[in-house]
Amino acid sequence: AQSVAQPEDQVNVAEGNPLTVKCTYSVSGNPYLFWYVQYPNRGLQFLLKYITGDNLVKGSYGFEAEFNKSQTSFHLKKPSALVSDSALYFCAVRDLVSGGYNKLIFGAGTRLAVHP
Amino acid sequence: DGGITQSPKYLFRKEGQNVTLSCEQNLNHDAMYWYRQDPGQGLRLIYYSQIVNDFQKGDIAEGYSVSREKKESFPLTVTSAQKNPTAFYLCASSINPLGGDQPQHFGDGTRLSIL
Repeated sequence: AQSVAQPEDQVNVAEGNPLTVKCTYSVSGNPYLFWYVQYPNRGLQFLLKYITGDNLVKGSYGFEAEFNKSQTSFHLKKPSALVSDSALYFCAVRDLVSGGYNKLIFGAGTRLAVHP
Repeated sequence: DGGITQSPKYLFRKEGQNVTLSCEQNLNHDAMYWYRQDPGQGLRLIYYSQIVNDFQKGDIAEGYSVSREKKESFPLTVTSAQKNPTAFYLCASSINPLGGDQPQHFGDGTRLSIL
């Protein structure tokens, strides 16, 4: 079965410093990977995805993610954190179901706190 | 602007009562999804629908029901059989149910509590 893990419940970083939010996955076949962000009492917003191609994926708000097949990881990164980046971040992997359709399996989420 | 609208934003349920959460999208997406979010557990899939008049159970469908009579609407009913309904409910849609390379778009959720 497909699965995704976010090993850190919370990540703390100072404003202006680089940030990394970790994600590892377990899939059969080629992984389709996604990152989403959630602000309080809001829905999830899509940040970026990896389907195929370049291992470094660039997304919204200056975020990027590095796909590493050998380590089965898809860590989210940003060179310089902002206080406004403080939110809950979810990694997700595609899971194929019957009929050729698909659904997403989400990690438990990582809370990012950026301190001034 | 296109998007997903969930209503109401807050909902209270009495014991033994069924309640219905609304989800409407004007993105012309084929697929729609309902998730439940509890603290520290991420999102869990309740039901999903890839086309009109068809839907499938997700991982935690017990105590819930859905319908998909129109492409733009996917209401979720939380029945009295759901003994622990207090949670944040999120509706999502995606443009193409096949392939899985397109992101899901989310509404802003409905927070359900028991009175």
